[in-house]
Amino acid sequence: EDKVVQSPLSLVVHEGDTVTLNCSYEVTNFRSLLWYKQEKKAPTFLFMLTSSGIEKKSGRLSSILDKKELFSILNITATQTGDSAVYLCAGTAYSGAGSYQLTFGKGTKLSVIP
Amino acid sequence: NAGVMQNPRHLVRRRGQEARLRCSPMKGHSHVYWYRQLPEEGLKFMVYLQKENIIDESGMPKERFSAEFPKEGPSILRIQQVVRGDSAAYFCASSPEETGGYTFGSGTRLTVV
Repeated sequence: EDKVVQSPLSLVVHEGDTVTLNCSYEVTNFRSLLWYKQEKKAPTFLFMLTSSGIEKKSGRLSSILDKKELFSILNITATQTGDSAVYLCAGTAYSGAGSYQLTFGKGTKLSVIP
Repeated sequence: NAGVMQNPRHLVRRRGQEARLRCSPMKGHSHVYWYRQLPEEGLKFMVYLQKENIIDESGMPKERFSAEFPKEGPSILRIQQVVRGDSAAYFCASSPEETGGYTFGSGTRLTVV
């Protein structure tokens, strides 16, 4: 069975800190790894990673994928209180039944305190 | 573009009743996916539909759950004879093609009392 494990499960930091969120995966027929930010509503898309070693950046957020070690990290620099959310990692794979499915981790709950 | 619209946002049902959850995909998206998020667990795939077709229902419980995506109107996830264990957040996502880069709706939180 496909599995995605995120660590830590929760994290409390002060504004201005830098955080690293971890995601390891075991996904058969792996295609890509996705990061989402979930506040009290829909998960919002952050990054899609398909190639190893290529860092994707969006403002203070960046992410990279290691397909050899089956691992991805999400970095957030100079954290702000608005970064407080649950960050979800998901591996996508072709299911063989006509669809690409996402296998989600349980998420990392990040709390940024002033 | 209103995004993926789900309704209702919150739904309370007594054990044994039926729950109907609706999802309107983003304009131009013909692929719809339903995911369930149980308390303290990650999102889990349930079913993938295109217009008038169920493509992959490998994540759906065998009984009481069904889904449809008719030619006209929203996709419907239907749960018959709900039980307490069905209490969860149900998310719908859509994509313009089956690449996995989904846009999620805000979810329907089902509570069975």
